[in-house]
Amino acid sequence: AQSVAQPEDQVNVAEGNPLTVKCTYSVSGNPYLFWYVQYPNRGLQFLLKYITGDNLVKGSYGFEAEFNKSQTSFHLKKPSALVSDSALYFCAVRRPGGNTGKLIFGQGTTLQVKP
Amino acid sequence: GAGVSQSPSNKVTEKGKDVELRCDPISGHTALYWYRQSLGQGLEFLIYFQGNSAPDKSGLPSDRFSAERTGGSVSTLTIQRTQQEDSAVYLCASSSGGGYQETQYFGPGTRLLVL
Repeated sequence: AQSVAQPEDQVNVAEGNPLTVKCTYSVSGNPYLFWYVQYPNRGLQFLLKYITGDNLVKGSYGFEAEFNKSQTSFHLKKPSALVSDSALYFCAVRRPGGNTGKLIFGQGTTLQVKP
Repeated sequence: GAGVSQSPSNKVTEKGKDVELRCDPISGHTALYWYRQSLGQGLEFLIYFQGNSAPDKSGLPSDRFSAERTGGSVSTLTIQRTQQEDSAVYLCASSSGGGYQETQYFGPGTRLLVL
């Protein structure tokens, strides 16, 4: 069965410091991986995705993520955190094949960036 | 352009009543998804529509839940005889096609509270 794990419920980082939000996945075949961000009382906003090719993916708002097949990970990173990055972050996976394009989400990680 | 819209934003209902939640996808998007976000279960897939194909209903939690998509555009999620455990945020998403590389864009959600 497909699954996604975000091992940290919350990540705290000081403004200006680099941030990492961790994601690991379990899926047969080649995964398609996504990161979304959710601000309070808002829907999910797409940040970036990995489909194929370069393992380092760049996305919106200065975020990037690195696909590591051997470690089955897709960690979200940003070189310098902003207070406005504070939000709930979701990693998601889709597996090619079958008749559905549904996303399987991790439980989410709350990012707190302190001034 | 306009994003995915959902109505109502909030809905409070009494246990046992029926509710209808509406989703307007991004114009031209052929794929439409419903998800549910709750504290205990995280983000769960409910149902998927792609063009004229039969919908994937595999995520619907019970036969009290149903959804329609009329004219390949607007979708309505109906919950009959609501229960307190149905309280959640219901998110709709759309994508330009059903391919696995396609990005799903989410609406702001409908927050349902069943008293």
